[in-house]
Amino acid sequence: DIQMTQSPSSLSASVGDRVTITCRASQRIGVFLNWYQQKPGKAPSLLIYGASSLQNGVPSRFSGSGSGTDFTLTISSLQPEDFATYYCQQSSSTPDTFGQGTKLEIK
Amino acid sequence: DVQLVESGGGLVKAGGSLRLSCAASGFTFSVYSMNWVRQVPGRGLEWVASISSSGNYIFYGNSVKGRFTISRDNAKNSLFLQMASLRADDTAVYFCARELYYDSRGYSAFDIWGHGTVVTVSS
Repeated sequence: DIQMTQSPSSLSASVGDRVTITCRASQRIGVFLNWYQQKPGKAPSLLIYGASSLQNGVPSRFSGSGSGTDFTLTISSLQPEDFATYYCQQSSSTPDTFGQGTKLEIK
Repeated sequence: DVQLVESGGGLVKAGGSLRLSCAASGFTFSVYSMNWVRQVPGRGLEWVASISSSGNYIFYGNSVKGRFTISRDNAKNSLFLQMASLRADDTAVYFCARELYYDSRGYSAFDIWGHGTVVTVSS
């Protein structure tokens, strides 16, 4: 199975900050990488697919980049509603696997 | 509205069985692959199983292989997960999720999720 490792596991930031979360795959996955946002008590919500394509309806302050084994999710200017947990997921090969999550908290 | 609604969760003793359902509405269910994903409270996400649109292709995660069975009824817009030989570490919130293929290169993601149903296995 492909292992996905996110860093950091948690992050404190302020409204207006630029934030970057990284995700590393244990083997090359091309751009078969998705990002999700999850708020407490809610289901995950798709933000980015194919490493860099923004899902419909997702604000443009979210962006993704990377290929191969190293990927990043960037939020250009944090808004109050962005404080949540973020997960990467590889869809290159079965089983799909998720990173352990990055909890973004208010500083 | 596009919607997935899970049901069937509950409290069951270790070794027991449970059947989860996921009712789809607002989209053409029969053309989409579907998945089950679970989450231990306070922990990360674990993919459990997937089924192709026709039901011909089925895959399972290693931790549930041989114990869980995914199925679907396209006429009733429903997805199912039959869980047997349940263990304490199967305790989780179980989400059903629609898989969207974005283009011919095979990029896919889980674009629609249900709210989840809670399964608790007591030892």
